Amino acid sequence: NAGVMQNPRHLVRRRGQEARLRCSPMKGHSHVYWYRQLPEEGLKFMVYLQKENIIDESGMPKERFSAEFPKEGPSILRIQQVVRGDSAAYFCASLQGANTGELFFGEGSRLTVL
Amino acid sequence: AQSVTQLDSQVPVFEEAPVELRCNYSSSVSVYLFWYVQYPNQGLQLLLKYLSGSTLVKGINGFEAEFNKSQTSFHLRKPSVHISDTAEYFCAVSGSSGTYKYIFGTGTRLKVLA
Repeated sequence: NAGVMQNPRHLVRRRGQEARLRCSPMKGHSHVYWYRQLPEEGLKFMVYLQKENIIDESGMPKERFSAEFPKEGPSILRIQQVVRGDSAAYFCASLQGANTGELFFGEGSRLTVL
Repeated sequence: AQSVTQLDSQVPVFEEAPVELRCNYSSSVSVYLFWYVQYPNQGLQLLLKYLSGSTLVKGINGFEAEFNKSQTSFHLRKPSVHISDTAEYFCAVSGSSGTYKYIFGTGTRLKVLA
């Protein structure tokens, strides 16, 4: 897991606030994935990005959720107007290039919505 | 599209006993297969992967898995488990060419008993 940095590790928000989760991929990796893990559930794919491009966002809820991976800086997963059901662990993973092998995961950001 | 099934949500086993965690997949294309381990409040760490070549794959911590194309399975085995192997184990699949989505199973919680 060394190298993929996620912050914050823990985030507490009240209903209606915004949550911003950041992910810096491993050095040299240009592909980023976001997954959501709910208690007692597996990892659900949310979005796949390359630098400045969203490749697949089929797992993202249609409203309130957005993601970006700018040319400079980390990838950001943004959740607007959070609700209690958004409470989960959000994991970022990076990949050096398409079909090059395994994903490398960060430690996750745990969002709690009060 | 690919999918992954981990039939066992929990597997209790005594220390030093062998264990097998089952994983079945479906795919219309050739696949890459992975096993990851997740310890509490941590990210996912790669145990082993099958990309091509030998169908018997050895990984870290004494784990191994066998790719069985005819049965579309990739079961994880360890001949003798330790207390420290207690964790959540995830099987994952991705297409080996032209696709980029990594699909995870719902996980198997391995509990090693003293």
